[in-house]
Amino acid sequence: DAMVIQNPRYQVTQFGKPVTLSCSQTLNHNVMYWYQQKSSQAPKLLFHYYDKDFNNEADTPDNFQSRRPNTSFCFLDIRSPGLGDAAMYLCATSRDGYLAGDPYNEQFFGPGTRLTVL
Amino acid sequence: DAKTTQPPSMDCAEGRAANLPCNHSTISGNEYVYWYRQIHSQGPQYIIHGLKNNETNEMASLIITEDRKSSTLILPHATLRDTAVYYCIVRPYGGTMRFGAGTRLTVKP
Repeated sequence: DAMVIQNPRYQVTQFGKPVTLSCSQTLNHNVMYWYQQKSSQAPKLLFHYYDKDFNNEADTPDNFQSRRPNTSFCFLDIRSPGLGDAAMYLCATSRDGYLAGDPYNEQFFGPGTRLTVL
Repeated sequence: DAKTTQPPSMDCAEGRAANLPCNHSTISGNEYVYWYRQIHSQGPQYIIHGLKNNETNEMASLIITEDRKSSTLILPHATLRDTAVYYCIVRPYGGTMRFGAGTRLTVKP
């Protein structure tokens, strides 16, 4: 089945130690998103790629970076994780992000990676 | 972006209809209403979306008031597996999704 895959499902890192989370998709979608979801909170959009074009949210800290080497893969890099960065990180895809009413604009989410910072 | 207001929690009896309200009084003409849900420890799942007409699919129905200032998501026959947080999102044309606090729906036997 076509899907959005996130690895690993659980990641433990140390305070200040860089960490990379990965997302892959078999849907061949143009747009890939990264969300941060802290405990008992709603998902918060960090940034997204429309093809190779990177779009950062204004309030996303510089500590968070992303790479999209090809259509299928997207990475979230946290350069110096702090205790406040412990969260679930969700990757999502959509075929086209700019046609809000287009049914292809539905976002498909992966299962998430739960990050623990020690 | 238009802000949404949802009750923080609701209960529903299994087999009954679950009606989840959402207020979006500042919605503008080119903004769509989307509903997603998130079952515990899973990623959000798309349910339905609409602009001004009522919509129905295999999961749910979406009723949007004529002035578009509020909407209701209807799960016609709720099951225990429908227990989740339901997010009502107003999405501008060409814009990205921003989740609000959502409604935690608990379906009880």
